[in-house]
Amino acid sequence: DGGITQSPKYLFRKEGQNVTLSCEQNLNHDAMYWYRQDPGQGLRLIYYSQIVNDFQKGDIAEGYSVSREKKESFPLTVTSAQKNPTAFYLCASSIDGNYNEQFFGPGTRLTVL
Amino acid sequence: SQQGEEDPQALSIQEGENATMNCSYKTSINNLQWYRQNSGRGLVHLILIRSNEREKHSGRLRVTLDTSKKSSSLLITASRAADTASYFCATWDTGRRALTFGSGTRLQVQP
Repeated sequence: DGGITQSPKYLFRKEGQNVTLSCEQNLNHDAMYWYRQDPGQGLRLIYYSQIVNDFQKGDIAEGYSVSREKKESFPLTVTSAQKNPTAFYLCASSIDGNYNEQFFGPGTRLTVL
Repeated sequence: SQQGEEDPQALSIQEGENATMNCSYKTSINNLQWYRQNSGRGLVHLILIRSNEREKHSGRLRVTLDTSKKSSSLLITASRAADTASYFCATWDTGRRALTFGSGTRLQVQP
């Protein structure tokens, strides 16, 4: 069953804590992306990776970090430096970084307590 | 940055009617894509139109692209209650290696 998965579905964080959101794909895609979505808004790009061991900052990278050690995995860490982390986080992948459609995971809803 | 702006922000129609959503963007693009999002879910790709194409069809969907006006429209014909969702346009800007999404149109189809 091919696809892109995210875990957990819901995540609660205390102020000052770092949390890591998981994103895994078995589509053999080279490119992976992280977006943030606030209520009633569109998606904003946090980080993206076009190939293993390489990634670039998106439009709102401050307070976030990523790694891309394996082709199928692109975890996102929300650090304590992110002052307003409550949002819906979406991971996506595409076959490569060349203007193709993106496939999205189901999302993780992060709430800061 | 949010390049695309959808219009209207919200649309409510009756089942069987057509729904039209518009998207405007600011820079040169390689292609424009439309995605659908059901409440609380991930996005699903609907259709991609390249910058050298003017119109594209997929089932009940019709997309147009006018690069001179930097605008696109998505038409859903004979809408169904199951079409209720948010619809986003997204552009692949030339020189930028990621999609830029608009703010979306929330479509409500009344049965």
